[in-house]
Amino acid sequence: GQNIDQPTEMTATEGAIVQINCTYQTSGFNGLFWYQQHAGEAPTFLSYNVLDGLEEKGRFSSFLSRSKGYSYLLLKELQMKDSASYLCAVRDSGSARQLTFGSGTQLTVLP
Amino acid sequence: GAGVSQSPSNKVTEKGKDVELRCDPISGHTALYWYRQSLGQGLEFLIYFQGNSAPDKSGLPSDRFSAERTGGSVSTLTIQRTQQEDSAVYLCASSRPVGEGGQEQYFGPGTRLTVT
Repeated sequence: GQNIDQPTEMTATEGAIVQINCTYQTSGFNGLFWYQQHAGEAPTFLSYNVLDGLEEKGRFSSFLSRSKGYSYLLLKELQMKDSASYLCAVRDSGSARQLTFGSGTQLTVLP
Repeated sequence: GAGVSQSPSNKVTEKGKDVELRCDPISGHTALYWYRQSLGQGLEFLIYFQGNSAPDKSGLPSDRFSAERTGGSVSTLTIQRTQQEDSAVYLCASSRPVGEGGQEQYFGPGTRLTVT
C-alpha cells in the first residue's frame, strides 16, 4: 500500500515563495504527481516527477528524491489565485497505475 | 476540446435508495478511473477501466458498489442501498492508454452525493 503525508494547512503572503512538502512510503512507485484543487472544483494537473531532481514549469517547480521518499512543490511569486488545496499523489507500479493521494495542503495566500 | 464531464453535478438521495453516476471521458482516452473524496479527506481510488474491462476492482468499498463502461467511453458508477457514509464527491478521471505516455489524469468536476 501507499502512505502519503503532507501538511494540512499553510499560509503565505502574495509575492512570496512557499514550499509544500510531501513524504511517502510505498510498496510500488511509478511517479509522483502534484495537483491543484480549488474549492468545489476538479483537481488540475500541475507536475509529474519520476526521476530524482527538479522539474520547473513557470512559477511552479517540483522536486523528487526517491531514496528519501520525499517531494516538494515550490510556488514562486505567489498570487491570490494560488489559494487552493495542493494534492500530492503517488502512482502505483501495478497495471492500473491508479493514483494514491495525500489529504492535501490547503494554501491560503494573504494580501 | 471537451474535458471530462460528469452528471449529475449534485445528487441528494434517501438512505436505502440506489443511485447511478455517469462519466464521459475525454475522447480517445481509454483509461478511466473513479475516485471519491470525502469531506476533508484525500481522494480514494475506487476502480479503473482499460477500455471496457475493469482489471482492478480492489478499491470498491463494498459489494453495493459496481461500475461498468460501454463502448470504451461512458462509464456509470452504481451504488445500491445507499448509506450515509457514502456521502462524498465522486470524481472521474481519464488518461491516455496506460503505457502510451500522457502521464496525467484529467479529472471531471465530480458528482456531490448526499445521502440523507
